[in-house]
Amino acid sequence: GEDVEQSLFLSVREGDSSVINCTYTDSSSTYLYWYKQEPGAGLQLLTYIFSNMDMKQDQRLTVLLNKKDKHLSLRIADTQTGDSAIYFCAGGYSSASKIIFGSGTRLSIRP
Amino acid sequence: AAGVIQSPRHLIKEKRETATLKCYPIPRHDTVYWYQQGPGQDPQFLISFYEKMQSDKGSIPDRFSAQQFSDYHSELNMSSLELGDSALYFCASRALSGGQQETQYFGPGTRLLVL
Repeated sequence: GEDVEQSLFLSVREGDSSVINCTYTDSSSTYLYWYKQEPGAGLQLLTYIFSNMDMKQDQRLTVLLNKKDKHLSLRIADTQTGDSAIYFCAGGYSSASKIIFGSGTRLSIRP
Repeated sequence: AAGVIQSPRHLIKEKRETATLKCYPIPRHDTVYWYQQGPGQDPQFLISFYEKMQSDKGSIPDRFSAQQFSDYHSELNMSSLELGDSALYFCASRALSGGQQETQYFGPGTRLLVL
């Protein structure tokens, strides 16, 4: 089955860009997601990308997909304190299928 | 816009007790998914339903059962609760008729604590 891996922690300075990386094992994942979870809160869908796309940009967020290497990244431009959270990379075979989550990357912002 | 509603939001139970978690999907959504997120863990898929029929099954313990009703709401029944069942339980819903562009929408979760 699908396995999604992420580094556990990332610390960036306020105003810098954050880049969170993810690798997945199953190339048949056609939907790749990024979710944000603040402490004690639910899952917020930030963005998603189809496997036939290389890049998707949405305001401060840029998703890059390297399908050959099964590597997905999320770049957050001009990182703010409100971006402190755990970011989950996730994948699904279709938009209707179960979502497989990575272990999450805890992003902390330093002044 | 209406979101997925889960109740209760918080629940405290003792070992060996039972618990029922409820999920009310977004109106006109016909598919419901349940996920379990243990402390410090990533969410794990438990089970899903489409049109009241189980559509997929994940790592759901035999002590748990779930169903979807004619109004599309779903209930997760948990029996013989164990300490390890303490987790955040998410429900998500989706409109299958929405096509490939439609994603799953997550509810706020029910936090279950087993003492």
